[in-house]
Amino acid sequence: KNQVEQSPQSLIILEGKNCTLQCNYTVSPFSNLRWYKQDTGRGPVSLTIMTFSENTKSNGRYTATLDADTKQSSLHITASQLSDSASYICVVRGDYKLSFGAGTTVTVRA
Amino acid sequence: DVKVTQSSRYLVKRTGEKVFLECVQDMDHENMFWYRQDPGLGLRLIYFSYDVKMKEKGDIPEGYSVSREKKERFSLILESASTNQTSMYLCASSPRGGRQQYFGPGTRLTVT
Repeated sequence: KNQVEQSPQSLIILEGKNCTLQCNYTVSPFSNLRWYKQDTGRGPVSLTIMTFSENTKSNGRYTATLDADTKQSSLHITASQLSDSASYICVVRGDYKLSFGAGTTVTVRA
Repeated sequence: DVKVTQSSRYLVKRTGEKVFLECVQDMDHENMFWYRQDPGLGLRLIYFSYDVKMKEKGDIPEGYSVSREKKERFSLILESASTNQTSMYLCASSPRGGRQQYFGPGTRLTVT
């Protein structure tokens, strides 16, 4: 069973709207959690990284939250743009190993 | 800027062929990784290397081998390609102790 579960698998939103992506993990011990954005045909690019003590971190219109007690993270996209259409991957680092979620595919429509 | 390049963006090979996927990074990173990415499964680690001539198996090494003769180059080898190796292959690198991996653009391999 995958140790990192993301939901929803995909979503479609209208340009200008907000959306929230979820990441639940069972990785233990926990070192950090990172959200990546992967454009079609490209490699993943890091958006944010959060350690155990961090609850919220922003990168422009992207805001990630982390609840280390419940082992949940979310990525909130504000005022979506067409360029936000991509896959968003949650990656959790344990002792030395990375565990990858399957990703959420976001499609932003005009 | 860190740059990780992969030799091909798209590749089509026949079953049984030997396939080489090349990855080069220009930031003097010690660590290099090969992943495959399949819909619904996320990225899965095939092999990684922490130093020249050093390699370690990842989660799904079967059917693959690697070579790291130079620090900047990490090659993935499919000794005898099979159709279930059709996938997107991503290379990544990171500095020793670094928290972030930098990914290449990926190679979409189709085995027919």
